[in-house]
This record gives sequence, C-alpha cells and structure tokens, in this order.
Amino acid sequence: DGGITQSPKYLFRKEGQNVTLSCEQNLNHDAMYWYRQDPGQGLRLIYYSQIVNDFQKGDIAEGYSVSREKKESFPLTVTSAQKNPTAFYLCASSLGAGGAEKLFFGSGTQLSVL
Amino acid sequence: GEDVEQSLFLSVREGDSSVINCTYTDSSSTYLYWYKQEPGAGLQLLTYIFSNMDMKQDQRLTVLLNKKDKHLSLRIADTQTGDSAIYFCAESAGGTSYGKLTFGQGTILTVHP
Repeated sequence: DGGITQSPKYLFRKEGQNVTLSCEQNLNHDAMYWYRQDPGQGLRLIYYSQIVNDFQKGDIAEGYSVSREKKESFPLTVTSAQKNPTAFYLCASSLGAGGAEKLFFGSGTQLSVL
Repeated sequence: GEDVEQSLFLSVREGDSSVINCTYTDSSSTYLYWYKQEPGAGLQLLTYIFSNMDMKQDQRLTVLLNKKDKHLSLRIADTQTGDSAIYFCAESAGGTSYGKLTFGQGTILTVHP
C-alpha cells in the first residue's frame, strides 16, 4: 500500500538535545513538507522540498533542519535552538506538479520535552 | 501575509446538516481546500475548489465559494457520528506555491445522537 510513514509516533526530548523525526513515502511524489501543529492553531509550514537535494524554509524554520538525499525520505531535526518544540509534527507529500496540490499526510509525531 | 479564519467549534445532531465556515484574506488564492483530521492522526483531503468556481458537490459534501467576500463553506449533509473530527480550511496560490498551504485554526465538529 502506498503512503507516508512517520516515526516514531511519540518522542521525548531532553534539554539541549537534538532529535530527528523520520518521514518516508512510497508514493513517488517529488514534493515533501513538514508542518507543525499546536492545539487550537492551524498547521504552520516548517520546511518544504520540491526535488531531491533541494529544500526551502517555510514560515517557522528557526531551530529546525532538514535533508533530502533521497526522493522517498525527508527527515526533520529539531535542534536545541528550538526553545518551544512541544507540538504535533506532520509530514506530507504531493506530486509537485503545480496546480491543485493534493497533500497526503502521515499520521504524525508528538514531540514532548522532558 | 495570508490569513485564514474559522470558528473553533460546531455541535450538531446526528442526521442534521453541518455547515463549517471559513474566511481568507489572500486575493490571489487559486485553490481552496477542506481537510479532515481525526484524533491523533494526520489530515485527509476531503475536497478542493478552484477559485473560478462557486460550488462543488461530492456526495454528502457541498463546497460554496463567495470569492467577492472571500468566504468558503463546507456543508455536510446527513451528518453522522463518524464525521466528528477537526475540519481545516486551507488556501494556496497554486503555480509555484506547490503545497505551501495556509491553514485555518480548524473547526472541531461534534456530532451527538
């Protein structure tokens, strides 16, 4: 079955620690995205990538980093510079052909600070 | 910048119609979307509408767009308990904006017997 897999489902971060959230897709999509969701707020775009080896900052990129070495994978690192990391993180992908981009979402990772 | 606003809560009785409203500010919005999120899960695309349309129907779902007032609504006919979820309105400018969607805060729909 095609889809997007995020792991882990729950993650805990200690003070000063970097953590990496995994996102893998087998939909053969060119574009991938990371969104952050806070309670009572909409989703906010962290980073996006339209093609392998290229990515752009979204609206709230500070304290985060990404890589796109393979088409299927778009991991997100939450660095110690991100002072308020507790949130639900959603990865998505789309064909990247322009027009009405239909985003397919993973099931999310809940990150909490210890 | 772009802004998308939704009311936070809606409660309806099973079998009634639900209407979820959304307003947006970006006049260059080309596509408007409705997504559904169930607890602890990702978002699922329900439907979308191109800005040169004023209505789109898909089974129990009807989307109405008033481009002049920048108002979008989602009507769910014969609402069922399985429709209880958070509904997000989103917009994009299309073209090179790709999947850079701007989302509203989400409307929590509660369906009671």
